[in-house]
Amino acid sequence: LAKTTQPISMDSYEGQEVNITCSHNNIATNDYITWYQQFPSQGPRFIIQGYKTKVTNEVASLFIPADRKSSTLSLPRVSLSDTAVYYCLVGPGPEQRRRANAGKSTFGDGTTLTVKP
Amino acid sequence: DAGITQSPRHKVTETGTPVTLRCHQTENHRYMYWYRQDPGHGLRLIHYSYGVKDTDKGEVSDGYSVSRSKTEDFLLTLESATSSQTSVYFCAISAGTGRAQGYNEQFFGPGTRLTVL
Repeated sequence: LAKTTQPISMDSYEGQEVNITCSHNNIATNDYITWYQQFPSQGPRFIIQGYKTKVTNEVASLFIPADRKSSTLSLPRVSLSDTAVYYCLVGPGPEQRRRANAGKSTFGDGTTLTVKP
Repeated sequence: DAGITQSPRHKVTETGTPVTLRCHQTENHRYMYWYRQDPGHGLRLIHYSYGVKDTDKGEVSDGYSVSRSKTEDFLLTLESATSSQTSVYFCAISAGTGRAQGYNEQFFGPGTRLTVL
């Protein structure tokens, strides 16, 4: 199982762009990288997923370098409501149809992002 | 929000007693998961299921058992609760390869806070 490493915490201010990096040195060829957001007393929520290069959706961008040993979640113009814990998850992608692959993804310990006014 | 409920939401029990947590989904997703989350830590997979009566162990399965007799229900049992099992337990579901994001797009329930005295 690919192990992930993230910074424990980060601080930012409203309106700034925030970049959170996750290291996954032993990522497998077929693994995808997924990011989740978790607010206190709630379950995590899916943000974005990617395999290589750059993926963008309405809330974030995900940058993955060619060697795929790390990834960066970018949150543009954060607000106070973006204060949360962000988790990086590495595991088999959607084309890996062996059922046992469903349990091969691992969450890191997360990065607590605090956005200040 | 995905239709996932967990019951009970809070439980206090004593060491040595059996405890069963229930996860119920209305999405007809194939995959279901049980995670535990301890203060300051990420989520660790306990067990997962890829169909009715098909389950497998995660990274922290000792002391836990699961059952899935219907698509919509996934039960987590602590046969003899210990204080080390005090935690917040999250259930998650995934459509797996039925969706573009695969296994790693998981939808989480609200969590069950379990305290073992």
